[in-house]
Amino acid sequence: AQSVSQHNHHVILSEAASLELGCNYSYGGTVNLFWYVQYPGQHLQLLLKYFSGDPLVKGIKGFEAEFIKSKFSFNLRKPSVQWSDTAEYFCAVNANGGSQGNLIFGKGTKLSVKP
Amino acid sequence: GAGVSQSPSNKVTEKGKDVELRCDPISGHTALYWYRQSLGQGLEFLIYFQGNSAPDKSGLPSDRFSAERTGGSVSTLTIQRTQQEDSAVYLCASSWGGRTNEKLFFGSGTQLSVL
Repeated sequence: AQSVSQHNHHVILSEAASLELGCNYSYGGTVNLFWYVQYPGQHLQLLLKYFSGDPLVKGIKGFEAEFIKSKFSFNLRKPSVQWSDTAEYFCAVNANGGSQGNLIFGKGTKLSVKP
Repeated sequence: GAGVSQSPSNKVTEKGKDVELRCDPISGHTALYWYRQSLGQGLEFLIYFQGNSAPDKSGLPSDRFSAERTGGSVSTLTIQRTQQEDSAVYLCASSWGGRTNEKLFFGSGTQLSVL
């Protein structure tokens, strides 16, 4: 069965620090990969996604993620975080061509940015 | 409305009672999903509706859980004989066509507390 691992439960950074949140998945076939974000008191929303092409994808608010197939990873990065990036971040994966219902989420990483 | 609407936003019930949670997806979206978010557990897939196809119920944790979608729009998730372990945030999401690379639009969820 597919699974998604987010190794960091809670990350605390100061403003302007660089961010990298790890995401690894287990599935041998072609995948679609997503990062969703939930800001305090708001809905979950899509940050970025990868389904084909350039493995380095750019999302909103200066975030990017790199798909490394050999490592089954899709880590999220931002060179300089802001206090407003405080949120919970979820990595998700499903099999390309499979059922959309098989979108599997990780347990989330809570990011706290100190002003 | 412009987004996915869920009601009620909060529900407190006694163990053994039945509850109904409602989701009104974005107009025109053919795919509808229910997820459960428990503290520290990420998002757990429950059920997926796509157009007129039979729903994917593979994520429902027990036969106490059921869902229906009337007229291809509004969905109701029913939990019978609620248990304390059912306490969680129940999230609904919708998407345009249910393809595996699509963005999901989430509602704000229903916080269910079973006493």
